[in-house]
Amino acid sequence: GAGVSQSPSNKVTEKGKDVELRCDPISGHTALYWYRQRLGQGLEFLIYFQGNSAPDKSGLPSDRFSAERTGESVSTLTIQRTQQEDSAVYLCASSPSGGLKFEQYFGPGTRLTVT
Amino acid sequence: EDKVVQSPLSLVVHEGDTVTLNCSYEVTNFRSLLWYKQEKKAPTFLFMLTSSGIEKKSGRLSSILDKKELSSILNITATQTGDSAIYLCAVEAGYGGATNKLIFGTGTLLAVQP
Repeated sequence: GAGVSQSPSNKVTEKGKDVELRCDPISGHTALYWYRQRLGQGLEFLIYFQGNSAPDKSGLPSDRFSAERTGESVSTLTIQRTQQEDSAVYLCASSPSGGLKFEQYFGPGTRLTVT
Repeated sequence: EDKVVQSPLSLVVHEGDTVTLNCSYEVTNFRSLLWYKQEKKAPTFLFMLTSSGIEKKSGRLSSILDKKELSSILNITATQTGDSAIYLCAVEAGYGGATNKLIFGTGTLLAVQP
């Protein structure tokens, strides 16, 4: 079975442009998480989807960040008007059930560089 | 089966006290151990530990990892009411290919009374 996949693996963009990052979770996993990891730092929680419930967006750092998920499948994270401080690795994880008490399986990440 | 265990489950202290929270783990392909503070919904990142015996410090909070004992402690000195939260320990482990796992402990609920 395939793990979590993300695309693109690398993205270089100019400041002010919009970017869209994609995550394909493990089939059957109801929960999906987006994290951001800056160089040398830990995982910073961004947003969490669980089934058909309203997503937990409390970790999004600003209104330039948004995410969508279609049912229990693909998710996209959109960053509008990118800033240099948005440069980081963006990681997606999925879990067979919700909350933080279950194992989360991570994709390889998208490395975003804003110039 | 990979697991992360935290203790105590809950703790009530008075302002000014020092607390020590514990996290132990059994995982294959250990990569790192992370501590988070959860007050509302989104957990706030505190520390990431990868090397044994090296203390990470931020203000009144500090943490250290003991890879031999497969454990970590989080210390909070001179506690304040604002430290009241759930403290989560998570271990990042290799899963296979390009996929890693993050396994959370059940958390320690800390209540700091004035």
